[in-house]
Amino acid sequence: GQNIDQPTEMTATEGAIVQINCTYQTSGFNGLFWYQQHAGEAPTFLSYNVLDGLEEKGRFSSFLSRSKGYSYLLLKELQMKDSASYLCAVVDSNYQLIWGAGTKLIIKP
Amino acid sequence: ETGVTQTPRHLVMGMTNKKSLKCEQHLGHNAMYWYKQSAKKPLELMFVYSLEERVENNSVPSRFSPECPNSSHLFLHLHTLQPEDSALYLCASSKEPESSYNEQFFGPGTRLTVL
Repeated sequence: GQNIDQPTEMTATEGAIVQINCTYQTSGFNGLFWYQQHAGEAPTFLSYNVLDGLEEKGRFSSFLSRSKGYSYLLLKELQMKDSASYLCAVVDSNYQLIWGAGTKLIIKP
Repeated sequence: ETGVTQTPRHLVMGMTNKKSLKCEQHLGHNAMYWYKQSAKKPLELMFVYSLEERVENNSVPSRFSPECPNSSHLFLHLHTLQPEDSALYLCASSKEPESSYNEQFFGPGTRLTVL
């Protein structure tokens, strides 16, 4: 079967750095997305990785290792507004998105 | 209006009621999706329409009936629902559903409660 694993919940301090991990086992791989979802709102696109390595976009970076079936989202200089759920999704061989259950990130002052 | 809109935002219905959820996308995309989101569970893909044709139906109970009259509008007709159907129902659209870069744009969802 297809499986995406993420931690259920993480807590971090304002101004700090946090890394949210995602491991996957899917039928084929055509890329990996990270989305952010604030409570009661729509998921919004953060990043897309298809090649190994680190993609940096401002305070957020996303890393991919296809050989290890592993990705992480790195958030720097955390702000209170970063409190949200972070969803990992893999594009499988049928171009369908397979979703993780999401990681709820709580930022404390 | 921009992006993907959904109405209503909240819906409470009894098990014998019939209601419909509406989704509209203003992005000129070719594909539209219905997802079910339950607490602490992955997004569950329910239906996919590509160029107004249904291409995916992931064994969804017949009490959920989708309709896609054109590429901008998507409906989810509900009847005889069960309490376990209570969830957030998200609509999404994408430009190229059969490509590796299939970025999906989501609406804010309809919070459905079945009593």
